[in-house]
Amino acid sequence: SQTIHQWPATLVQPVGSPLSLECTVEGTSNPNLYWYRQAAGRGLQLLFYSVGIGQISSEVPQNLSASRPQDRQFILSSKKLLLSDSGFYLCAWSRVSVEKLFFGSGTQLSVL
Amino acid sequence: KQEVTQIPAALSVPEGENLVLNCSFTDSAIYNLQWFRQDPGKGLTSLLLIQSSQREQTSGRLNASLDKSSGRSTLYIAASQPGDSATYLCAVTVDGQNFVFGPGTRLSVLP
Repeated sequence: SQTIHQWPATLVQPVGSPLSLECTVEGTSNPNLYWYRQAAGRGLQLLFYSVGIGQISSEVPQNLSASRPQDRQFILSSKKLLLSDSGFYLCAWSRVSVEKLFFGSGTQLSVL
Repeated sequence: KQEVTQIPAALSVPEGENLVLNCSFTDSAIYNLQWFRQDPGKGLTSLLLIQSSQREQTSGRLNASLDKSSGRSTLYIAASQPGDSATYLCAVTVDGQNFVFGPGTRLSVLP
């Protein structure tokens, strides 16, 4: 069966510090991978999605970036965090043949 | 641009009640619609997926219906329990790759 791992679960970072969140998927190949952000009391905002290694689409211009160095690994990064980057970050995967969207457990990021 | 709305934003019911959550979308040319559950501080768990050609899907006490022409879906929860308390989100996709989410309905089932 397929599983998705996302870490860390909680992160507190000062303004201006770098960020690296990692997500890996097991049990499937060539998944579509997604990074979403959920601000308190608001819906899910799609940040990045990837249909293959090195293929990243950005939905929202900001100081965040994403990379996909391996088929089942998706990384969200920032060189310098802003207060507005605080939120709940969710990684997800899907395949057109599977159709459903599956989520990781999320990372609560607080930028102070 | 596809937009998804959900009403009500929050709902509080006594245990045992049957309830309906609503989801509306502006572009009826969808590929499928999915209902999710989210517990506080957790990721989303898929509950039901309805293909564009289907009218409804059932899983246990949950029943989801889809009226694509009117841009509406409902999630029916029978005999609600305190363990059903969570936020319920719907999402649509037109191509199986890009998903648009509603803001969610926060459900509280009181014992």
